[in-house]
Amino acid sequence: AQKVTQAQTEISVVEKEDVTLDCVYETRDTTYYLFWYKQPPSGELVFLIRRNSFDEQNEISGRYSWNFQKSTSSFNFTITASQVVDSAVYFCALRERYSGGGADGLTFGKGTHLIIQP
Amino acid sequence: DTEVTQTPKHLVMGMTNKKSLKCEQHMGHRAMYWYKQKAKKPPELMFVYSYEKLSINESVPSRFSPECPNSSLLNLHLHALQPEDSALYLCASSLNMETEAFFGQGTRLTVV
Repeated sequence: AQKVTQAQTEISVVEKEDVTLDCVYETRDTTYYLFWYKQPPSGELVFLIRRNSFDEQNEISGRYSWNFQKSTSSFNFTITASQVVDSAVYFCALRERYSGGGADGLTFGKGTHLIIQP
Repeated sequence: DTEVTQTPKHLVMGMTNKKSLKCEQHMGHRAMYWYKQKAKKPPELMFVYSYEKLSINESVPSRFSPECPNSSLLNLHLHALQPEDSALYLCASSLNMETEAFFGQGTRLTVV
């Protein structure tokens, strides 16, 4: 079963619009960690945020905000007043604390390709 | 400093060649990772080193051989690769297994 689902394969908006990237995860662990990464065309994965399972506080960082809801197993990412430089592939990722022999590395969703048109 | 440095940035190798990818970090991180990423796909975990010990091997073919000479360095030795191994190989490190991982720019590998 897919542990991290990013249902939006590609989103295209015009600059200055707000856009929300969805992430739904699945885990049986009570302790886990969620992440968002940005991958521009250059290829490097840029860390954006980490959220621990026991911390449901939402967070805002400039034009970026994140909404973590354990009740719906979602960790959505909103960009306000989007800019062309926001164009990239965005990955949501999960790390489980006790993965039962599985991955202690990050399990990534398939990514959402965000295109901001000028 | 959140820098993970990978060399080379690009590599073209034949199927009979032996080559190595290198990764270095000086952030005092004790966990280091190799990921493989095919075009338009998410990164896939290959290996994890924790305190210089290999803790995970995600059933990667033996033609990929990782090595962690010390806490700052991570190598990936390549031998007898196939064209389907062509991909972006990403190295990452994290303070421990619970914190965020920082990624290098990757090595774009082409096997001919």
